[in-house]
Amino acid sequence: GIQVEQSPPDLILQEGANSTLRCNFSDSVNNLQWFHQNPWGQLINLFYIPSGTKQNGRLSATTVATERYSLLYISSSQTTDSGVYFCATGYSSASKIIFGSGTRLSIRP
Amino acid sequence: SQTIHQWPATLVQPVGSPLSLECTVEGTSNPNLYWYRQAAGRGLQLLFYSVGIGQISSEVPQNLSASRPQDRQFILSSKKLLLSDSGFYLCAWNGMGHTEAFFGQGTRLTVV
Repeated sequence: GIQVEQSPPDLILQEGANSTLRCNFSDSVNNLQWFHQNPWGQLINLFYIPSGTKQNGRLSATTVATERYSLLYISSSQTTDSGVYFCATGYSSASKIIFGSGTRLSIRP
Repeated sequence: SQTIHQWPATLVQPVGSPLSLECTVEGTSNPNLYWYRQAAGRGLQLLFYSVGIGQISSEVPQNLSASRPQDRQFILSSKKLLLSDSGFYLCAWNGMGHTEAFFGQGTRLTVV
């Protein structure tokens, strides 16, 4: 089945810094999402981005489907950005959504 | 607009007791439905998914089962809970063609 790998597993930054999170996937996919899991466990949708680039405030994401990776950029980090970031992907023939193992981001004031 | 409801939010159950977690979706028809489990500090493991009423695919052999008695209702069950069933359970849905997926608030299950 499809494999999804995220890097780095952990990232500690000072407030105001920029960061790049990476998601690699092993097969051709037709959807790709980024989520932020808050301290209460809720998964917040950040981007649905099967291909191309999207931006939402300080966050942006790029997916290069032909090269099987996606990047999440966080600029001017704030302490509220802390938490775990997951990418998830799937393909229609299997009807599954598979998650990467996540990147734990800690933003220090 | 579409919404997803999952309950209860927290649950403490003794070993050997039964389990029933319910998830319902509003505002859409024929959704794909999913159950995930997250152990403490870990990623999300896909347990079951369903593309229609009565159609359940199991990803991991385990002590749990799932059912979809109605189009927008997905139930996770166990006849006898084990300590290893403790975790955070999340229900999710997306539309046909594998559109964006949305998650419920989750149920934190502790088996004692």
